Amino acid sequence: GESVGLHLPTLSVQEGDNSIINCAYSNSASDYFIWYKQESGKGPQFIIDIRSNMDKRQGQRVTVLLNKTVKHLSLQIAATQPGDSAVYFCAENSAMEYGNKLVFGSGTILRVKS
Amino acid sequence: NAGVTQTPKFRILKIGQSMTLQCTQDMNHNYMYWYRQDPGMGLKLIYYSVGAGITDKGEVPNGYNVSRSTTEDFPLRLELAAPSQTSVYFCASSLQGIQPQHFGDGTRLSIL
Repeated sequence: GESVGLHLPTLSVQEGDNSIINCAYSNSASDYFIWYKQESGKGPQFIIDIRSNMDKRQGQRVTVLLNKTVKHLSLQIAATQPGDSAVYFCAENSAMEYGNKLVFGSGTILRVKS
Repeated sequence: NAGVTQTPKFRILKIGQSMTLQCTQDMNHNYMYWYRQDPGMGLKLIYYSVGAGITDKGEVPNGYNVSRSTTEDFPLRLELAAPSQTSVYFCASSLQGIQPQHFGDGTRLSIL
């Protein structure tokens, strides 16, 4: 079946350092991937997405890399700030009878030390 | 623009009771979704809708029902609440299928 998983459940980084959060996916037919940030008591917040015809996409302080050969996705956060502390989820798009669904990984907790 | 609004934010139910979780969006999105999130886990899809009058089951639909009579609203109904339905419920919407979903802040439901 489909599954999206994360290698590291908790990541602690020093403020100002770069963070890398990894994600493995199993469905080689997936064509769209999303990273979400979830702060305590809130819903997931969209960070960045990437389609399968791309290897890399950059946003503001964030970069997503997609390696389709090994079915691996990563989120890089530059100059990590205390406000980046949250749970980060990768999600994989999967087609359904109508529309699509997101298959979520279990999440990585990012802790930023000041 | 309020985005996706969920009510109530918290609720405690007794086993066997029923309730409706409300979700409304003001972005004129076609697609709407209901997820549940158990502690330390990712989100699992309960039901989804691609437009008014069209709904379908997700991964974990048992014990739930939905309706979509308008573009804006997508209520989730729990019948005969069970302790296994204790969770945080998130509603989301997107304009089309392969696009980012926008989430509400969730309803925290405890069934005792």
